[in-house]
Amino acid sequence: AQSVTQLGSHVSVSEGALVLLRCNYSSSVPPYLFWYVQYPNQGLQLLLKYTTGATLVKGINGFEAEFKKSETSFHLTKPSAHMSDAAEYFCAVSEDDKIIFGKGTRLHILP
Amino acid sequence: DTAVSQTPKYLVTQMGNDKSIKCEQNLGHDTMYWYKQDSKKFLKIMFSYNNKELIINETVPNRFSPKSPDKAHLNLHINSLELGDSAVYFCASSLRLAGNNEQFFGPGTRLTVL
Repeated sequence: AQSVTQLGSHVSVSEGALVLLRCNYSSSVPPYLFWYVQYPNQGLQLLLKYTTGATLVKGINGFEAEFKKSETSFHLTKPSAHMSDAAEYFCAVSEDDKIIFGKGTRLHILP
Repeated sequence: DTAVSQTPKYLVTQMGNDKSIKCEQNLGHDTMYWYKQDSKKFLKIMFSYNNKELIINETVPNRFSPKSPDKAHLNLHINSLELGDSAVYFCASSLRLAGNNEQFFGPGTRLTVL
């Protein structure tokens, strides 16, 4: 079975600083990978996805992620954090007919 | 608006009661899901239907019964509610033919059992 590990349940960065949220997955086949964001009291919104092709994937709100097969990683980055980025972020991998989610990382933005 | 919608948004009820949550999608998707998000924000799939056929049924108490009258709707009925059922329940949908399982989520239903 596939699994997803997100390092750090809470990450704090200063406004304007680099955001780096880490995600590692285990998969025996080429994976489909996702990052979702959940703002307080809202549902999940897709930030970006990797299916095939280019390993650097650009998403909404200035986020991007790089698929690194050799490291089984799919880390999420944003060059400059904004206060509005404060939210819960979920990395996920597709398995058969379902998505396996990581436990989430809460991103805090410090003024 | 094209979206996944859920009703109600909030549901407060007593232990032992029976309640239902409704979900509808107008995205033309053929697969729908129910997830439970606990107080630690952990998301776990409960059920999935493809074209009204149950395809995923995780280890969920049989007090939970999903019903899909058509591929645009997936309802969740819960009998004899318990304190541990308190959580946020999310509905989602996807297009199986797309092959990548990208799922679109509803806004959630916060269930509180007293």
